[in-house]
Amino acid sequence: RKEVEQDPGPFNVPEGATVAFNCTYSNSASQSFFWYRQDCRKEPKLLMSVYSSGNEDGRFTAQLNRASQYISLLIRDSKLSDSATYLCVVTHSSASKIIFGSGTRLSIRP
Amino acid sequence: EAGVAQSPRYKIIEKRQSVAFWCNPISGHATLYWYQQILGQGPKLLIQFQNNGVVDDSQLPKDRFSAERLKGVDSTLKIQPAKLEDSAVYLCASSVGTGRPQHFGDGTRLSIL
Repeated sequence: RKEVEQDPGPFNVPEGATVAFNCTYSNSASQSFFWYRQDCRKEPKLLMSVYSSGNEDGRFTAQLNRASQYISLLIRDSKLSDSATYLCVVTHSSASKIIFGSGTRLSIRP
Repeated sequence: EAGVAQSPRYKIIEKRQSVAFWCNPISGHATLYWYQQILGQGPKLLIQFQNNGVVDDSQLPKDRFSAERLKGVDSTLKIQPAKLEDSAVYLCASSVGTGRPQHFGDGTRLSIL
């Protein structure tokens, strides 16, 4: 089993829809969690950190479920520009071990 | 604020040759990372520096890969000799400290013939 797993997708949803995807992790000692966005042939860019209490940034909501060992990303009122690959990142062992998921591809159609 | 700078953007070499990549992190960022990203996969951490010390290099193939950050600022990653499976994008990232959000450079796209 991979340490960090994501559904590769692609998720193909219409503009304006709400879409959510999860990222599961296997190490219960994981400490920090992030969502990054990566456009085709570009570098990853930080979307948001994930806090224990959950956090929201505009149309994006991130949540952490430590009991079930997953983080989630919810996108409301999706835009065409949200089309990208979404990577989750998990760190543990005093942040020295950093693991990226393989990413979930999201495609928003008009 | 200037971002993470990497060079070159593209490199094509033959197998068994050597190649080096350079990275200049965001000013003041103590932590620097090198990643390998193969097409269709997420980035894989090769090495993490905190200032000029190595924090984690457990996934660095040390028989052919080496990296240094001598003065705690710029860093170089070298591959010698290159193999076909080294074809990938090599990403450099920096952060203010370990466990903090990372900022990535544009990457170097390496093709091995």
